[in-house]
Amino acid sequence: KNEVEQSPQNLTAQEGEFITINCSYSVGISALHWLQQHPGGGIVSLFMLSSGKKKHGRLIATINIQEKHSSLHITASHPRDSAVYICAVKTSGSRLTFGEGTQLTVNP
Amino acid sequence: GAGVSQSPSNKVTEKGKDVELRCDPISGHTALYWYRQSLGQGLEFLIYFQGNSAPDKSGLPSDRFSAERTGGSVSTLTIQRTQQEDSAVYLCASSKPSGVYNSPLHFGNGTRLTVT
Repeated sequence: KNEVEQSPQNLTAQEGEFITINCSYSVGISALHWLQQHPGGGIVSLFMLSSGKKKHGRLIATINIQEKHSSLHITASHPRDSAVYICAVKTSGSRLTFGEGTQLTVNP
Repeated sequence: GAGVSQSPSNKVTEKGKDVELRCDPISGHTALYWYRQSLGQGLEFLIYFQGNSAPDKSGLPSDRFSAERTGGSVSTLTIQRTQQEDSAVYLCASSKPSGVYNSPLHFGNGTRLTVT
């Protein structure tokens, strides 16, 4: 079992739908990152969380430390949101452990 | 520069040759990471530099891989005697000093390495 599990692996939505991507981890962490990887390969850091909830535009990220679970929500999804979304946790020291990613496709 | 800069953006090399990949982090970012992403795979941690501390090399897959960071800024990842399984996108990321506060990561665009 991977230390970081994401679900779903693939997600197809219609424009305007509310989207949720989940991340569960099995180790103690000091922080959790949500990353977005565009089709061209570039990676952008969306959020870094150690507790609670963060919001940026249409994106919301939450984390429940006790349940070892985080969610990334996208409201009013748009085709430009189509990308791979990656959850990464910072464990001991410097190492980041990555989930396998969720491929999101938003159709117009 | 405004972001993390990596060069070259693409590198094709013959099996057995050595390659050097370069990363220029954001000015003032003392933390620097190297990752790689093989085709269809997730991101894999390789090495981490933090200021003048000894680097965390625990992710390097073999002794053919090495990295250095000169003057606490530019980093070079060297792969000796390249093998076809080394083909991947090599990504560099930097962040502000980590410690009590965890800092967001800023990624470069990567170097796509193809070993023929």
